[in-house]
Amino acid sequence: GEDVEQSLFLSVREGDSSVINCTYTDSSSTYLYWYKQEPGAGLQLLTYIFSNMDMKQDQRLTVLLNKKDKHLSLRIADTQTGDSAIYFCAESRDTGRRALTFGSGTRLQVQP
Amino acid sequence: ETGVTQTPRHLVMGMTNKKSLKCEQHLGHNAMYWYKQSAKKPLELMFVYNFKEQTENNSVPSRFSPECPNSSHLFLHLHTLQPEDSALYLCASSQDQGGATNEKLFFGSGTQLSVL
Repeated sequence: GEDVEQSLFLSVREGDSSVINCTYTDSSSTYLYWYKQEPGAGLQLLTYIFSNMDMKQDQRLTVLLNKKDKHLSLRIADTQTGDSAIYFCAESRDTGRRALTFGSGTRLQVQP
Repeated sequence: ETGVTQTPRHLVMGMTNKKSLKCEQHLGHNAMYWYKQSAKKPLELMFVYNFKEQTENNSVPSRFSPECPNSSHLFLHLHTLQPEDSALYLCASSQDQGGATNEKLFFGSGTQLSVL
């Protein structure tokens, strides 16, 4: 299977919370990232978490990391229509290869 | 403004054409990357340059030829491409790939390539 897996699609109503999930396979992952891609644009770094942390909060964003289960999630509170985009999970590994490994992306659709 | 600029935004080419994609970063970074994004596959790393030296070639066909004349500029030369090469080609940069493991990437908006 893929090294980093995400569900393809999530639909929520405006004002609700969104939770986007990601699983990864490599236990040597050191940093895990969430990127956002809006239509016609490149990827924008939203937040990241070091592998020895369980949680990181940044305004409306909360990242949870379960290292035992190799599960990462991104919670967006009070989701807005401007949050509609594709969200990519990515990992970096301390194995000499420094470039990130990305998941396939989750398309978040926010309905008014 | 992300600090990473890619041109052209869109490119249509025939299989016998030769074209080049350009990327420029204004962030003072030392590492630059080419990624391919298509509907069928997640982001695929193609090449990595660190301090102008190629450090990774992810088994990319020779019809894609990268060039990095300095730390601010990266090119991807294209020749005799196939229709399956149609994709969004993304350039990215990061501070320094050689040391820290926390490599935050900054992406350009990409070049949407169509091969006819």
